Amino acid sequence: GESVGLHLPTLSVQEGDNSIINCAYSNSASDYFIWYKQESGKGPQFIIDIRSNMDKRQGQRVTVLLNKTVKHLSLQIAATQPGDSAVYFCAENMEGGGYNKLIFGAGTRLAVHP
Amino acid sequence: NAGVTQTPKFRVLKTGQSMTLLCAQDMNHEYMYWYRQDPGMGLRLIHYSVGEGTTAKGEVPDGYNVSRLKKQNFLLGLESAAPSQTSVYFCASTPFHSNQPQHFGDGTRLSIL
Repeated sequence: GESVGLHLPTLSVQEGDNSIINCAYSNSASDYFIWYKQESGKGPQFIIDIRSNMDKRQGQRVTVLLNKTVKHLSLQIAATQPGDSAVYFCAENMEGGGYNKLIFGAGTRLAVHP
Repeated sequence: NAGVTQTPKFRVLKTGQSMTLLCAQDMNHEYMYWYRQDPGMGLRLIHYSVGEGTTAKGEVPDGYNVSRLKKQNFLLGLESAAPSQTSVYFCASTPFHSNQPQHFGDGTRLSIL
């Protein structure tokens, strides 16, 4: 079925360490992927995206890796800070019905400890 | 530039009451979306709009209606609220339908007793 297979585990890291959050997607036709960060009481905030013709994209402290062979997406956060504590969602974009359909996973909670 | 603004932020309703949630965006985006978010689940699409005067059903449309009379506003209505509609509701927008990230508001937390 069409779903982004991301459960809601908690990833605990020490401040300053690198974090890796993983996501498996199911639809091989998906051509665009997004990572969102959601803090308590806030809406999802765009972090970084990647198109299916790429396998890596870097942002300021974040890197997204896409492995289309195994339908896997990961978000790497370098030098994790307390302000990075949040729930992280991946979403896959599926064209269909004439609109930008995003399929979201349930999210991973990142807890950063001093 | 406020982005996507949702009102109200919180609301408590009794079963059977009606209400309207308002979403406003100031980015001149064509596409707007309403989602609901329940604990342990990802966002689920309720309805969406591809432009002023148009609306369409998403994944979980039952019990909701929407209107897009003005490009900047997208309204979500509950005609007869049910406890199963207790959720956090998010509105989002994109410039157009090609691969672009959706911009979200901060949500409306709705409890139905």
